[in-house]
Amino acid sequence: KNEVEQSPQNLTAQEGEFITINCSYSVGISALHWLQQHPGGGIVSLFMLSSGKKKHGRLIATINIQEKHSSLHITASHPRDSAVYICAVSSGAQKLVFGQGTRLTINP
Amino acid sequence: NAGVTQTPKFRVLKTGQSMTLLCAQDMNHEYMYWYRQDPGMGLRLIHYSVGEGTTAKGEVPDGYNVSRLKKQNFLLGLESAAPSQTSVYFCASSYPGDTEAFFGQGTRLTVV
Repeated sequence: KNEVEQSPQNLTAQEGEFITINCSYSVGISALHWLQQHPGGGIVSLFMLSSGKKKHGRLIATINIQEKHSSLHITASHPRDSAVYICAVSSGAQKLVFGQGTRLTINP
Repeated sequence: NAGVTQTPKFRVLKTGQSMTLLCAQDMNHEYMYWYRQDPGMGLRLIHYSVGEGTTAKGEVPDGYNVSRLKKQNFLLGLESAAPSQTSVYFCASSYPGDTEAFFGQGTRLTVV
């Protein structure tokens, strides 16, 4: 069993839908990261959080430390949100352990 | 501000050839990392460095060597490339502690 599990692995939705991507982890962590990777592109950091909730534009990230679970939400999804979303956790020395990623496709 | 720059972006090697991937960052970050990304798997740490002149092994270090002679550069070397090293390689850098990591655009390497 991987230390970081994401679900779903693939998600297709229509423009405007509310999107939720989940991340569960099995180790103690000091921080959790959400990253975005566009096809053929680099990786961009979206959020880093260790408790509670963070919001940036249409993106919201939450974390429940007791349940070892985090969610990434996208409101009013748009085709430009189509990307792979990656959850990663750090537990000292900032060495990240990554989930397998969730491939999101938003159709117009 | 260039951020993290990887060169080259693409490369095809024959089995047994050697090459060096260069990662350069202009953010004065202490920590630098090399990861590989393979289909169906999360990114895996190859080697990392917590400062100039220091390197350490990650999760999958076999077949790779690294050097950090200057703070801004982190080199990844393949001495004798193997088909199993076909992958997309990402470099990243960050400040110490739980801080945001900045990634390069990736290097797609194919070993035939």
